[in-house]
Amino acid sequence: QKEVEQDPGPLSVPEGAIVSLNCTYSNSAFQYFMWYRQYSRKGPELLMYTYSSGNKEDGRFTAQVDKSSKYISLFIRDSQPSDSATYLCAMRSRSNTGKLIFGQGTTLQVKP
Amino acid sequence: NAGVTQTPKFQVLKTGQSMTLQCAQDMNHEYMSWYRQDPGMGLRLIHYSVGAGITDQGEVPNGYNVSRSTTEDFPLRLLSAAPSQTSVYFCASTLLRGSNTGELFFGEGSRLTVL
Repeated sequence: QKEVEQDPGPLSVPEGAIVSLNCTYSNSAFQYFMWYRQYSRKGPELLMYTYSSGNKEDGRFTAQVDKSSKYISLFIRDSQPSDSATYLCAMRSRSNTGKLIFGQGTTLQVKP
Repeated sequence: NAGVTQTPKFQVLKTGQSMTLQCAQDMNHEYMSWYRQDPGMGLRLIHYSVGAGITDQGEVPNGYNVSRSTTEDFPLRLLSAAPSQTSVYFCASTLLRGSNTGELFFGEGSRLTVL
């Protein structure tokens, strides 16, 4: 069993839809949680970062962490065609700066 | 600021050949790492380094060697290429000191095909 599980999709939604992306994990030592966005044939770029449990909002994006359930989510409101990309969750423990463990990535397509 | 630079962007090898993927960063990051990305598998850590002269294995190190002689460079060597090493390889780096998030900065990737 992988330490981090993410549904690879693909996920196709109409423009304006609310998108929910999720990851589960098994290592209770994980404390830093990130979402990366990767456009086709590009390297991943950090989209959202959350420390420990709670919510974080940035524009149309909201990241949630539920450490008791070992479950993290990324919500995208009013999705746009420019949001079409692969979204990867990533996480690490306190002591392992840089050593991120990634989920499989979910490919999202937002249709105009 | 170029960030993380990977070369080559594309490479085709025959089984048994060796090659080196180059990675350089100009952000004075202590930590550098190599990941491979395969469909349905996400990013898997191959090797990483926390500073010059220090390297360690990640999740999938077999068939790969690394060295870190300078802070800026972290080359990945394939000793005897196999078709199972066909993948997209990403180099990534981050600050260890003074970083709140440990955000990894990625290169554009190197696409390798082994025939």
